[in-house]
Order: sequence, then structure tokens, then C-alpha cells
Amino acid sequence: DAGVTQSPTHLIKTRGQHVTLRCSPISGHKSVSWYQQVLGQGPQFIFQYYEKEERGRGNFPDRFSARQFPNYSSELNVNALLLGDSALYLCASSSTTGGIGNQPQHFGDGTRLSIL
Amino acid sequence: RKEVEQDPGPFNVPEGATVAFNCTYSNSASQSFFWYRQDCRKEPKLLMSVYSSGNEDGRFTAQLNRASQYISLLIRDSKLSDSATYLCVVNKGYGGATNKLIFGTGTLLAVQP
Repeated sequence: DAGVTQSPTHLIKTRGQHVTLRCSPISGHKSVSWYQQVLGQGPQFIFQYYEKEERGRGNFPDRFSARQFPNYSSELNVNALLLGDSALYLCASSSTTGGIGNQPQHFGDGTRLSIL
Repeated sequence: RKEVEQDPGPFNVPEGATVAFNCTYSNSASQSFFWYRQDCRKEPKLLMSVYSSGNEDGRFTAQLNRASQYISLLIRDSKLSDSATYLCVVNKGYGGATNKLIFGTGTLLAVQP
């Protein structure tokens, strides 16, 4: 079975541009979460979507937005890119929304975004 | 104070050594706990979930102390292939509303031949 797939794998943008990152969850998983990982740090939570609804949002500016489609795939959009947005963007899927006994999340390979 | 705190290391140990990682978390309402492993320039991969009763998977043992809000990972008979960053992870999901993983900064382990 395919794991979480993300595209593109690498991306180079300049300041002020916008970017769309894509994620397909593991088949049967309805929950998709996005994380940003800056070099030397652990991943930071950006968004979680379940059944096409936003269920959680991290401490990121409004330049960051996301959505989930009927097939449970997801897009992360970032507008007005800044140098500090350079990071590895990770998508994770899981079979439940959370709570006690929730299933762990499984990560894709990530999209490495570089801002020049 | 960070929500999940880990010693960043690096931990340099010889093959065959036993190494312990410790982690503390600040939110007593946290529901689930995990250790993830991340190789250089790769995605995090689930190593094991952590339960209050403690759990073991081969050479790996995880412990959770809810009263102290403390999580540990013990690796016995370490192998060269264990070299990676080990991430302590807490899930702040509440009753199914959200599934928000909070990561520590990770502890780098380098196993030496």
C-alpha cells in the first residue's frame, strides 16, 4: 500500500511569491495534518483537517491556509513568502481525529521549500 | 517554557551501549505519547507508542510517568543503524476534536563503531 505522498519534493521560490503544496493520505485515512520543520528543530503543527473540516490550527499567520478535498487529499497554501518560510513541510495522515487511544500519524517524505 | 522538552544531545555512544532519552511535557491533559525517529533529511517515522504501563519492543523500552509528566526511551545493545534523531511527541487531541502532535526538538544519537 502507498504511504503518504507529497508533491513536489523540492521547490524554490522568491520572497513575495505564493506556493501550493499537495498531500495524499494513506488509503482509508481521513485525517490530514501539516507540519513545518525548520532545520535543527522538531516539526511544528500548522493545521489538521478531518472530513474536509479544519479541526486544529497552530500558531501560524493567516498567510498559511489549507483545505481538504472529498478524496481526503489536502493542499497547503502559503502567500507572500518570507525567507523564514524556508523549511521542510510535512504532511501526516491518521485514521482517527484524536483523543485517547488515537492512532499515530504517519508522515510523508515532505516538501523542501527554499525561499531566495 | 517549551511544551515538550528534550536534551538535544548529541549522544555519542559505542556499539553495544545502553542509552536513555528523557523528555518532559507541560500539559497534564495530554492524551497520547510517542517516540518518533528521524534520519537526516528524512521524514519522522513512528518508533513506538508510549503507555502508562510501560512497553517494550525488542531492544527498545518506553516508559510514561503521568504524575511527573515524564517520558523515557531506553535503547539496549545499540547498533550503528540506531544513529538518528529521536523525537519525543505528545498528542494534545481532546476527545476527538483535534489531533495535534507537539514535538520536542529531538535528541541526536550517534553510535560509534
